[in-house]
Amino acid sequence: EPEVTQTPSHQVTQMGQEVILRCVPISNHLYFYWYRQILGQKVEFLVSFYNNEISEKSEIFDDQFSVERPDGSNFTLKIRSTKLEDSAMYFCARNRGVQETQYFGPGTRLLVL
Amino acid sequence: QQQVKQSPQSLIVQKGGIPIINCAYENTAFDYFPWYQQFPGKGPALLIAIRPDVSEKKEGRFTISFNKSAKQFSLHIMDSQPGDSATYFCAASLHNTDKLIFGTGTRLQVFP
Repeated sequence: EPEVTQTPSHQVTQMGQEVILRCVPISNHLYFYWYRQILGQKVEFLVSFYNNEISEKSEIFDDQFSVERPDGSNFTLKIRSTKLEDSAMYFCARNRGVQETQYFGPGTRLLVL
Repeated sequence: QQQVKQSPQSLIVQKGGIPIINCAYENTAFDYFPWYQQFPGKGPALLIAIRPDVSEKKEGRFTISFNKSAKQFSLHIMDSQPGDSATYFCAASLHNTDKLIFGTGTRLQVFP
Protein backbone atom coordinates (compact mmCIF):
# COMPACT_ATOMS: atom_id res chain seq x y z
CA GLU A 1 0.00 0.00 0.00
CA PRO A 2 1.47 3.38 -1.00
CA GLU A 3 2.54 5.44 1.98
CA VAL A 4 0.98 8.85 2.43
CA THR A 5 2.68 11.15 4.89
CA GLN A 6 1.37 14.27 6.54
CA THR A 7 2.98 17.01 8.58
CA PRO A 8 2.72 18.03 11.30
CA SER A 9 1.29 15.09 13.20
CA HIS A 10 -0.07 17.44 15.87
CA GLN A 11 -0.76 21.16 15.85
CA VAL A 12 -2.04 23.34 18.67
CA THR A 13 -3.08 26.87 17.78
CA GLN A 14 -4.95 29.81 19.18
CA MET A 15 -8.37 30.72 17.82
CA GLY A 16 -8.04 33.17 14.94
CA GLN A 17 -4.59 31.97 13.88
CA GLU A 18 -3.77 30.55 10.47
CA VAL A 19 -2.65 26.95 10.11
CA ILE A 20 -1.20 25.07 7.15
CA LEU A 21 -1.40 21.30 6.99
CA ARG A 22 0.81 19.44 4.53
CA CYS A 23 0.59 16.20 2.60
CA VAL A 24 3.60 14.69 0.87
CA PRO A 25 3.02 13.65 -2.76
CA ILE A 26 3.31 10.23 -4.34
CA SER A 27 4.51 10.61 -7.92
CA ASN A 28 1.81 8.71 -9.80
CA HIS A 29 -1.11 9.87 -7.70
CA LEU A 30 -2.88 12.74 -9.38
CA TYR A 31 -5.98 13.19 -7.28
CA PHE A 32 -5.87 14.66 -3.78
CA TYR A 33 -8.44 14.98 -1.06
CA TRP A 34 -8.84 16.41 2.40
CA TYR A 35 -11.18 14.90 4.94
CA ARG A 36 -11.68 15.70 8.57
CA GLN A 37 -12.83 13.67 11.55
CA ILE A 38 -14.06 15.41 14.68
CA LEU A 39 -13.26 13.28 17.72
CA GLY A 40 -15.56 10.27 17.91
CA GLN A 41 -17.47 11.20 14.76
CA LYS A 42 -17.47 10.07 11.16
CA VAL A 43 -14.99 11.05 8.50
CA GLU A 44 -16.26 14.02 6.44
CA PHE A 45 -15.22 15.05 2.95
CA LEU A 46 -13.82 18.57 2.61
CA VAL A 47 -12.39 18.97 -0.88
CA SER A 48 -10.99 17.16 -3.91
CA PHE A 49 -8.22 18.57 -6.08
CA TYR A 50 -7.03 17.57 -9.53
CA ASN A 51 -4.83 19.26 -12.09
CA ASN A 52 -4.26 22.23 -9.77
CA GLU A 53 -7.94 22.93 -9.42
CA ILE A 54 -10.62 22.17 -6.89
CA SER A 55 -12.91 19.58 -8.49
CA GLU A 56 -15.43 19.34 -5.68
CA LYS A 57 -15.91 20.79 -2.21
CA SER A 58 -18.34 20.30 0.64
CA GLU A 59 -20.38 22.89 2.49
CA ILE A 60 -17.81 22.66 5.31
CA PHE A 61 -15.13 24.00 2.96
CA ASP A 62 -16.00 27.69 3.28
CA ASP A 63 -13.95 30.82 2.59
CA GLN A 64 -11.72 30.11 5.58
CA PHE A 65 -10.29 27.07 3.81
CA SER A 66 -8.00 26.89 0.81
CA VAL A 67 -5.90 24.22 -0.87
CA GLU A 68 -2.97 24.37 -3.20
CA ARG A 69 -0.15 22.34 -4.62
CA PRO A 70 2.52 24.92 -5.37
CA ASP A 71 5.00 23.82 -8.05
CA GLY A 72 3.97 20.16 -7.82
CA SER A 73 5.23 20.01 -4.26
CA ASN A 74 3.35 19.31 -1.08
CA PHE A 75 -0.43 19.43 -1.15
CA THR A 76 -1.56 21.88 1.52
CA LEU A 77 -4.72 22.76 3.37
CA LYS A 78 -4.82 26.25 4.85
CA ILE A 79 -7.28 27.42 7.45
CA ARG A 80 -7.08 31.21 7.52
CA SER A 81 -8.65 32.05 10.86
CA THR A 82 -9.19 28.98 12.99
CA LYS A 83 -12.26 28.48 15.12
CA LEU A 84 -12.77 26.19 18.09
CA GLU A 85 -14.93 23.90 15.97
CA ASP A 86 -12.05 23.34 13.54
CA SER A 87 -10.47 21.06 16.13
CA ALA A 88 -10.35 17.65 14.45
CA MET A 89 -8.13 15.11 12.73
CA TYR A 90 -7.43 16.17 9.18
CA PHE A 91 -6.65 13.43 6.70
CA CYS A 92 -5.08 13.80 3.31
CA ALA A 93 -5.95 11.11 0.77
CA ARG A 94 -4.82 10.47 -2.76
CA ASN A 95 -5.39 8.09 -5.65
CA ARG A 96 -4.54 7.54 -9.30
CA GLY A 97 -7.99 7.99 -10.77
CA VAL A 98 -11.69 8.42 -10.17
CA GLN A 99 -13.10 5.70 -7.90
CA GLU A 100 -9.73 4.05 -7.51
CA THR A 101 -8.60 3.25 -3.99
CA GLN A 102 -8.08 6.33 -1.87
CA TYR A 103 -5.03 6.01 0.36
CA PHE A 104 -5.28 7.99 3.56
CA GLY A 105 -2.43 9.54 5.48
CA PRO A 106 -2.06 9.16 9.25
CA GLY A 107 -3.66 12.55 9.81
CA THR A 108 -2.85 15.81 11.55
CA ARG A 109 -4.51 16.34 14.90
CA LEU A 110 -5.46 20.02 15.11
CA LEU A 111 -6.45 21.53 18.43
CA VAL A 112 -7.75 25.10 18.47
CA LEU A 113 -7.73 26.78 21.87
CA GLN B 1 -30.28 11.53 0.49
CA GLN B 2 -26.52 11.84 0.68
CA GLN B 3 -26.33 9.95 3.96
CA VAL B 4 -25.10 6.47 4.66
CA LYS B 5 -26.56 4.97 7.83
CA GLN B 6 -24.42 2.44 9.69
CA SER B 7 -25.20 0.07 12.53
CA PRO B 8 -24.42 -1.04 15.14
CA GLN B 9 -22.38 1.69 16.77
CA SER B 10 -20.32 -0.90 18.64
CA LEU B 11 -19.90 -4.64 18.56
CA ILE B 12 -18.21 -7.11 20.87
CA VAL B 13 -17.50 -10.66 19.76
CA GLN B 14 -15.37 -13.56 20.87
CA LYS B 15 -12.46 -14.74 18.79
CA GLY B 16 -13.74 -16.90 15.93
CA GLY B 17 -17.12 -15.16 15.85
CA ILE B 18 -18.60 -13.51 12.74
CA PRO B 19 -19.35 -9.85 13.36
CA ILE B 20 -21.74 -8.28 10.85
CA ILE B 21 -21.89 -4.53 10.22
CA ASN B 22 -24.75 -3.09 8.22
CA CYS B 23 -25.13 0.03 6.11
CA ALA B 24 -28.07 1.53 4.26
CA TYR B 25 -28.37 4.35 1.75
CA GLU B 26 -31.11 6.26 -0.05
CA ASN B 27 -29.44 7.67 -3.14
CA THR B 28 -29.62 5.13 -5.97
CA ALA B 29 -26.96 7.11 -7.84
CA PHE B 30 -24.29 5.74 -5.50
CA ASP B 31 -22.27 3.19 -7.41
CA TYR B 32 -19.16 2.50 -5.36
CA PHE B 33 -19.24 1.13 -1.81
CA PRO B 34 -15.93 0.73 0.05
CA TRP B 35 -15.31 -0.40 3.59
CA TYR B 36 -12.50 1.19 5.57
CA GLN B 37 -10.75 -0.06 8.70
CA GLN B 38 -9.27 2.43 11.14
CA PHE B 39 -6.98 1.72 14.07
CA PRO B 40 -6.55 4.32 16.83
CA GLY B 41 -4.28 7.16 15.75
CA LYS B 42 -4.19 6.01 12.12
CA GLY B 43 -5.94 7.02 8.95
CA PRO B 44 -8.67 4.85 7.42
CA ALA B 45 -7.38 2.02 5.23
CA LEU B 46 -9.38 0.40 2.45
CA LEU B 47 -10.48 -3.11 3.36
CA ILE B 48 -12.73 -4.16 0.51
CA ALA B 49 -15.06 -2.46 -1.97
CA ILE B 50 -18.03 -3.44 -4.12
CA ARG B 51 -20.04 -2.05 -7.01
CA PRO B 52 -23.80 -2.59 -7.39
CA ASP B 53 -23.48 -5.04 -10.29
CA VAL B 54 -22.47 -7.86 -7.91
CA SER B 55 -24.25 -9.17 -4.82
CA GLU B 56 -21.23 -10.45 -2.94
CA LYS B 57 -17.49 -9.97 -2.84
CA LYS B 58 -15.02 -11.87 -0.72
CA GLU B 59 -11.41 -11.04 0.09
CA GLY B 60 -9.79 -13.33 2.61
CA ARG B 61 -11.87 -13.32 5.78
CA PHE B 62 -13.85 -10.22 4.72
CA THR B 63 -17.09 -10.44 2.72
CA ILE B 64 -19.39 -7.70 1.48
CA SER B 65 -23.01 -8.62 0.81
CA PHE B 66 -24.90 -6.15 -1.34
CA ASN B 67 -28.69 -5.91 -1.71
CA LYS B 68 -29.42 -3.39 -4.44
CA SER B 69 -33.22 -3.52 -4.13
CA ALA B 70 -33.08 -2.94 -0.37
CA LYS B 71 -30.28 -0.36 -0.74
CA GLN B 72 -28.28 -2.11 1.93
CA PHE B 73 -24.83 -3.60 2.18
CA SER B 74 -23.01 -5.35 4.96
CA LEU B 75 -19.55 -6.46 6.02
CA HIS B 76 -18.98 -9.92 7.47
CA ILE B 77 -15.70 -10.84 9.15
CA MET B 78 -15.15 -14.59 9.24
CA ASP B 79 -13.13 -16.19 12.04
CA SER B 80 -12.60 -12.81 13.71
CA GLN B 81 -9.31 -12.25 15.54
CA PRO B 82 -8.27 -9.83 18.30
CA GLY B 83 -6.20 -8.01 15.66
CA ASP B 84 -9.45 -7.15 13.86
CA SER B 85 -10.39 -4.88 16.78
CA ALA B 86 -10.78 -1.48 15.10
CA THR B 87 -13.39 0.97 13.88
CA TYR B 88 -15.02 0.07 10.58
CA PHE B 89 -16.59 2.62 8.26
CA CYS B 90 -18.76 1.96 5.27
CA ALA B 91 -18.79 4.61 2.58
CA ALA B 92 -20.37 5.40 -0.77
CA SER B 93 -19.65 7.60 -3.71
CA LEU B 94 -21.57 8.78 -6.74
CA HIS B 95 -20.74 7.83 -10.30
CA ASN B 96 -17.68 9.66 -11.58
CA THR B 97 -16.89 11.42 -8.32
CA ASP B 98 -14.48 10.58 -5.55
CA LYS B 99 -16.29 12.31 -2.72
CA LEU B 100 -16.61 9.51 -0.19
CA ILE B 101 -19.62 9.76 2.08
CA PHE B 102 -18.87 7.83 5.24
CA GLY B 103 -21.13 6.06 7.67
CA THR B 104 -20.87 6.85 11.37
CA GLY B 105 -18.55 3.93 12.11
CA THR B 106 -18.71 0.72 14.13
CA ARG B 107 -16.24 0.06 16.90
CA LEU B 108 -15.47 -3.67 16.90
CA GLN B 109 -13.81 -5.43 19.81
CA VAL B 110 -12.77 -9.06 19.45
CA PHE B 111 -11.88 -10.76 22.69
CA PRO B 112 -9.57 -13.82 22.87
